[in-house]
Amino acid sequence: GQSLEQPSEVTAVEGAIVQINCTYQTSGFYGLSWYQQHDGGAPTFLSYNALDGLEETGRFSSFLSRSDSYGYLLLQELQMKDSASYFCAVRDGGGATNKLIFGTGTLLAVQP
Amino acid sequence: DAGVIQSPRHEVTEMGQEVTLRCKPISGHDYLFWYRQTMMRGLELLIYFNNNVPIDDSGMPEDRFSAKMPNASFSTLKIQPSEPRDSAVYFCASRKLAGVGNEQFFGPGTRLTVL
Repeated sequence: GQSLEQPSEVTAVEGAIVQINCTYQTSGFYGLSWYQQHDGGAPTFLSYNALDGLEETGRFSSFLSRSDSYGYLLLQELQMKDSASYFCAVRDGGGATNKLIFGTGTLLAVQP
Repeated sequence: DAGVIQSPRHEVTEMGQEVTLRCKPISGHDYLFWYRQTMMRGLELLIYFNNNVPIDDSGMPEDRFSAKMPNASFSTLKIQPSEPRDSAVYFCASRKLAGVGNEQFFGPGTRLTVL
């Protein structure tokens, strides 16, 4: 089957750094994405990794290792507004389809 | 630019009634997606369209669900008859063909409650 596994919850304090891991098992692979969703809101796109390595976008960075079927989202200088759910996602079946498979989601709680 | 627009934002109905959810994608986007989100099943794709043509409807749970996209600026998801287990948040999303990676733009969602 196809699955993306993430920790269900992570807690951290303001100003700290937190890493959210994602391991995937899919029939094809066409990049790993991360989405943020605040409670009651819409998922919003954060990042995309097509190749191995680290991609940085401001306080957020995302890493991919295709050989390990593994990636992570790194959030630095945590702020209260970062409290949200974070989902990794992989395009199913490689590049032939636009169907996204989403992970189970990680609820990040940032404490003062 | 306006984002993806969905209506209604909230819908409460009784079991057996027909429910129609509406979506207006971002102008110029080539793909439209319908998702359902529940605590038990997470965020799952129901169906997606490319240039108004349904491409993959393998996620549609059963024949009670149907989706249409009569033109590039409008899509509907219909549930008939509705059941309590259909209670969920339904999201519509869109993207451009040449968009960044797997970036999709989500609407605010419709929270459906079937009593």
